[in-house]
Amino acid sequence: GQQLNQSPQSMFIQEGEDVSMNCTSSSIFNTWLWYKQDPGEGPVLLIALYKAGELTSNGRLTAQFGITRKDSFLNISASIPSDVGIYFCAGLGEETSGSRLTFGEGTQLTVNP
Amino acid sequence: GAVVSQHPSRVICKSGTSVKIECRSLDFQATTMFWYRQFPKQSLMLMATSNEGSKATYEQGVEKDKFLINHASLTLSTLTVTSAHPEDSSFYICSAHRQANTEAFFGQGTRLTVV
Repeated sequence: GQQLNQSPQSMFIQEGEDVSMNCTSSSIFNTWLWYKQDPGEGPVLLIALYKAGELTSNGRLTAQFGITRKDSFLNISASIPSDVGIYFCAGLGEETSGSRLTFGEGTQLTVNP
Repeated sequence: GAVVSQHPSRVICKSGTSVKIECRSLDFQATTMFWYRQFPKQSLMLMATSNEGSKATYEQGVEKDKFLINHASLTLSTLTVTSAHPEDSSFYICSAHRQANTEAFFGQGTRLTVV
């Protein structure tokens, strides 16, 4: 089945640094989504991307939908301690997929004050 | 605010008993909801697709008699873990979409511990 390769698996950074993570796939996706999950909570949507080449920002977060429709990246600028958590990318394929999401393995972000 | 509400957030049960988890879409109707299981430090694993008014679709390897899904209304799906055993202890999460093939909204998750 479809798989998303998300990297890096984990990051340890200092407060104030910028962060970048990405997801790649061998398959084409129509929608790319980025979620953040805090311990003991469900994932929360950060950014949704619907068009190839689309670049979208949400505060300090910026994400892009790759031109090939097979990749996406998420950048976090000027990180703060509350950015700590697990970040997941997710892709939605063709309409026949019935809204089934394919998830990346997650990026564990640690921010040192 | 939350658009998908999951209850309970935590539950501890004795081995052999059954546990029901509810997932509600708060301000939209969802003909389809999804149930996931998540192990520590891992991604979400799709267990089943809950379809309003019809049988759920289970992923390969998920026992349908073990994990009963009922989607009786357009805003509520339930997952019942029957005859729970310690190996069923996990974090269970539901999701729903406002519209098909758009972003998913997730519930808060349910931490199940079977003792």
